[in-house]
Amino acid sequence: SYVLTQPPSVSVAPGQTARITCGGNNLGSENVYWYQRKPGQAPVLVVYDNTDRPSGIPERFSGSNSGNTATLTISRVEAGDEADYYCQVWDASGDLPVFGGGTKLTVL
Amino acid sequence: EVQLVESGGGLVQPGRSLRLSCAASGFTFGDYAMHWVRQRPGKGLEWVSRISWNSDSVHYADSVRGRFTISRDNAKNLLYLQMTSLRADDMALYYCVRDGGGMTPLYYFDLWGQGTLVNISS
Repeated sequence: SYVLTQPPSVSVAPGQTARITCGGNNLGSENVYWYQRKPGQAPVLVVYDNTDRPSGIPERFSGSNSGNTATLTISRVEAGDEADYYCQVWDASGDLPVFGGGTKLTVL
Repeated sequence: EVQLVESGGGLVQPGRSLRLSCAASGFTFGDYAMHWVRQRPGKGLEWVSRISWNSDSVHYADSVRGRFTISRDNAKNLLYLQMTSLRADDMALYYCVRDGGGMTPLYYFDLWGQGTLVNISS
């Protein structure tokens, strides 16, 4: 089945930019989705169709996808952005959704 | 308020059964395909099952096919997951999740519940 690879952790200082990557074979040809999961809270969709933001998600969150890598970029990082972030695609060959292993974002 | 609220989790012995429920509110439940997604302790997210808006189509992950059954009651705004022959590796936080595509499942998830915890232990 399709494999998505994320770095286990990313650390960034408040006010800086965090970039969380998601790697997969020819990932640029797929639609990538990103979820934020804070401890004790329900996961939240923060980016869909590679670059779009659901209503209510701050413009600081943006996505890109090209080649074998998708990237979630969080600008002007705040303490409240500290969470686990997961990328996801639909694996057409297996006819099932596939998640990356998740990246823990730490705000220093 | 648009929300999904799971219930039914708990401690169960290996080999036994458990039924999870999910109550939907704040939106037209029958207009959406629905899913269950789980997270095992210390692991990432894993898709478990999907049901179409009208229950005509269901789909399962290989790891649960033949043991789990997804169903729904649109009149009551409820989603279910009947789990049988439970194993140690089924222990997880189970999320009820709405498909972002509405009636046409697109296999991304635009609304999540808080999850219900299933513990497997003898």
